[in-house]
Amino acid sequence: QVQLQGSGPGRVRPSETLSLTCTASDDSFSNFYWGWIRQPPGKGLEWIGHMYNVRSANYNPSLKSRVSISVDTSKNQFSLKLTSVTAADTAVYYCARWVPARKNFDSWDQGSLVTVSS
Amino acid sequence: DIQMTQSPSSLSASVGDRVTITCRASQSIGNYLNWYRRKPGEAPKLLISGASTLQSGVPSRFSGSGSGTEFALTISSLQPEDFATYFCQQGYSTPTFGQGTKVEIK
Repeated sequence: QVQLQGSGPGRVRPSETLSLTCTASDDSFSNFYWGWIRQPPGKGLEWIGHMYNVRSANYNPSLKSRVSISVDTSKNQFSLKLTSVTAADTAVYYCARWVPARKNFDSWDQGSLVTVSS
Repeated sequence: DIQMTQSPSSLSASVGDRVTITCRASQSIGNYLNWYRRKPGEAPKLLISGASTLQSGVPSRFSGSGSGTEFALTISSLQPEDFATYFCQQGYSTPTFGQGTKVEIK
């Protein structure tokens, strides 16, 4: 497992872009897949997407037109961008490590609440 | 998407009780089922993968069973640190999660 620490603004205005970053304490960062999951208030968890590199990104079809995940191996960081946000994007956002061989997320951060409001 | 139906949504139990949480998939997912525990203010923790494989360091009071569409997580003797929210996740296709089960102190 690995320690993950997410960071980013706690509030985003409607129609703007939500940006979050996650830092991993893992020297073999480049060998893994990294992803994002969210949980809106009162609802279940929703997978946003995960990627290994730009050629192996997978996104939730319901969000694909608005989401992008990028990885910076030099900083052991990966980031989420979600464009044109609305109140429906208010959620706790988790970053996590995806293990494709086992089809699970073996490490998570504590989650960051992002509220979309003006 | 494969829908995951988890039950119950909440339960009250006492220390020492045996607790079972179930997860049902909308179609067969083989054994691509994982269980997590989330305590308030903490990162979710992977407990069981592949429906029944206990992760390293997870106490043996936790066990997982099932295949196909019906799965269960059992805690044989509930401990104080087990009062938390548990959720399942299928990995057969794009990941989807159960709604979660909150285990509270009776």
